[in-house]
Amino acid sequence: DSGVTQTPKHLITATGQRVTLRCSPRSGDLSVYWYQQSLDQGLQFLIQYYNGEERAKGNILERFSAQQFPDLHSELNLSSLELGDSALYFCASSPKTSSYNEQFFGPGTRLTVL
Amino acid sequence: AQSVTQPDIHITVSEGASLELRCNYSYGATPYLFWYVQSPGQGLQLLLKYFSGDTLVQGIKGFEAEFKRSQSSFNLRKPSVHWSDAAEYFCAVGHFGNEKLTFGTGTRLTIIP
Repeated sequence: DSGVTQTPKHLITATGQRVTLRCSPRSGDLSVYWYQQSLDQGLQFLIQYYNGEERAKGNILERFSAQQFPDLHSELNLSSLELGDSALYFCASSPKTSSYNEQFFGPGTRLTVL
Repeated sequence: AQSVTQPDIHITVSEGASLELRCNYSYGATPYLFWYVQSPGQGLQLLLKYFSGDTLVQGIKGFEAEFKRSQSSFNLRKPSVHWSDAAEYFCAVGHFGNEKLTFGTGTRLTIIP
């Protein structure tokens, strides 16, 4: 158990819908990272927040957005969902901003878009 | 831009045999290198990491990896695999000042009796 929690574990929805994925980092970690893992794209970095501020952006679609709240939990919002958005979404956390620090991964949320 | 190549999509090894998983990276300066393991239905767990210093690093579960700058490689090794090592293994690269990790496509390891 990494100490990172993600909810829900599974999510099934329809095209065009909007969903919110939630992540609670390890106690004391200030950085939260979101990754998408799909069969065709592999494991891709989406976005990072540090202490409530957006710090880095990767291959995140405009239909997707994220935020980190004062209690440091983070939410990833996916809207206008398409079949291709079906994937495993991971959250990771680390104490500081640099990738020098190990990132601790949550168990993931499996999103299925029908 | 940094990139990672794991040339082996799937490897099958007999239990008790030795293992080497290949990883090649592309980055101009000194990279930070990681190996993660993902068991079915689980998140990623860090096996080991290299930042600087001794090029042979030891990790958890009896794994080790060697950083070879001349070959831009960071191969993962284990002298004797156990059935519980069956999983997907990911190599990742980062560097100072870059907030994200770039992952390879992964190598699926199957263990046969």
